Amino acid sequence: DTAVSQTPKYLVTQMGNDKSIKCEQNLGHDTMYWYKQDSKKFLKIMFSYNNKELIINETVPNRFSPKSPDKAHLNLHINSLELGDSAVYFCASSQAAGGDIQYFGAGTRLSVL
Amino acid sequence: DAKTTQPPSMDCAEGRAANLPCNHSTISGNEYVYWYRQIHSQGPQYIIHGLKNNETNEMASLIITEDRKSSTLILPHATLRDTAVYYCIVRVAGNSGGGADGLTFGKGTHLIIQP
Repeated sequence: DTAVSQTPKYLVTQMGNDKSIKCEQNLGHDTMYWYKQDSKKFLKIMFSYNNKELIINETVPNRFSPKSPDKAHLNLHINSLELGDSAVYFCASSQAAGGDIQYFGAGTRLSVL
Repeated sequence: DAKTTQPPSMDCAEGRAANLPCNHSTISGNEYVYWYRQIHSQGPQYIIHGLKNNETNEMASLIITEDRKSSTLILPHATLRDTAVYYCIVRVAGNSGGGADGLTFGKGTHLIIQP
């Protein structure tokens, strides 16, 4: 079984649309994360979520919003998609907050046309 | 910004040991050295971490200098599947870090294993 799974794997959409990426972890971890990897391959943290505490990277536009229905899920909603949102988005989870080993999903490649 | 410096790329022959260096001269006393790698089109994968003692697991060995200002990741018998970008990251481990902060990835080292 995949420890951290993301859906969809590929997402192609038009500018201005609203889309969601789902993430589920079956590791029993308490903390989940979203990362963005741009075309230059730089990986940057977007959000982390632990026990209902959301920590947001200040550079992330408010069009991006994480939603956690339960501890095993952290979905990423993106409103009014822009060309610059095209990237690979990775979900990750860790047992504890702050510095524990993180386990990553396979990524979702988002293409905004 | 990443607190580490790594060579952008390295080559290694298949079957030989791959030694990947990392400089972290500003590391704090409570910060660990973590190594992750990212194989093409996959998510990052944890390899190993350590504080000051050398560490070994089934994937690799981590050698940390006595002053903790640099470290070396060793893949003892590199295979073609080890071709990936390797990231050296320093951070506080466990709950002492406070909050749920993410990993700060630098540019990493692109390790290419040659057949």
